[in-house]
Amino acid sequence: GQNIDQPTEMTATEGAIVQINCTYQTSGFNGLFWYQQHAGEAPTFLSYNVLDGLEEKGRFSSFLSRSKGYSYLLLKELQMKDSASYLCAVRDSNYQLIWGAGTKLIIKP
Amino acid sequence: ETGVTQSPTHLIKTRGQQVTLRCSSQSGHNTVSWYQQALGQGPQFIFQYYREEENGRGNFPPRFSGLQFPNYSSELNVNALELDDSALYLCASSLMSAGNEMASPLHFGNGTRLTVT
Repeated sequence: GQNIDQPTEMTATEGAIVQINCTYQTSGFNGLFWYQQHAGEAPTFLSYNVLDGLEEKGRFSSFLSRSKGYSYLLLKELQMKDSASYLCAVRDSNYQLIWGAGTKLIIKP
Repeated sequence: ETGVTQSPTHLIKTRGQQVTLRCSSQSGHNTVSWYQQALGQGPQFIFQYYREEENGRGNFPPRFSGLQFPNYSSELNVNALELDDSALYLCASSLMSAGNEMASPLHFGNGTRLTVT
């Protein structure tokens, strides 16, 4: 079966750095996405990785290792508004997105 | 640029009834996909429409059906509603073109919260 694993919840301090991990086992691989979802709102696109390595976009970076079936989302200089759920999703061989359950990130002052 | 819009925002139905949810895709997008998201879970893929035809479907029964119109807007229909159908229904649009299927991220609407009693 297809599976995306990410921690259920993480807590971090304002101004700090946090890394959210995602491991996947899917039938084929055509890219990995990270989305941010605030409570009661739609997911918003953060990043896309299809090749191994690090993609940096401002305070957010995403890393991919296809051989290990592993990705992480790195958030720097955390702000209170970063409190949200972070969803990892993998596009499989049928170009369908398989989603993790999301990691709820709690930022404390 | 106009984003993805969904209607209604909230809906309460009774078990056994039928419901239609609507979605207008982001301007310039030609593909619409629908997701069901239970509380505390990630979205579950229902199906996707491209050029008015279903071109992918998740593990949902036939009572979940849909349409895509020439202007790329879409409907999700659910017949014989069950209590477990209570969830947030998300519509997402993207641009699919030859050789570019992998690169287009999804842009989501704010969803329709369906409650079945």
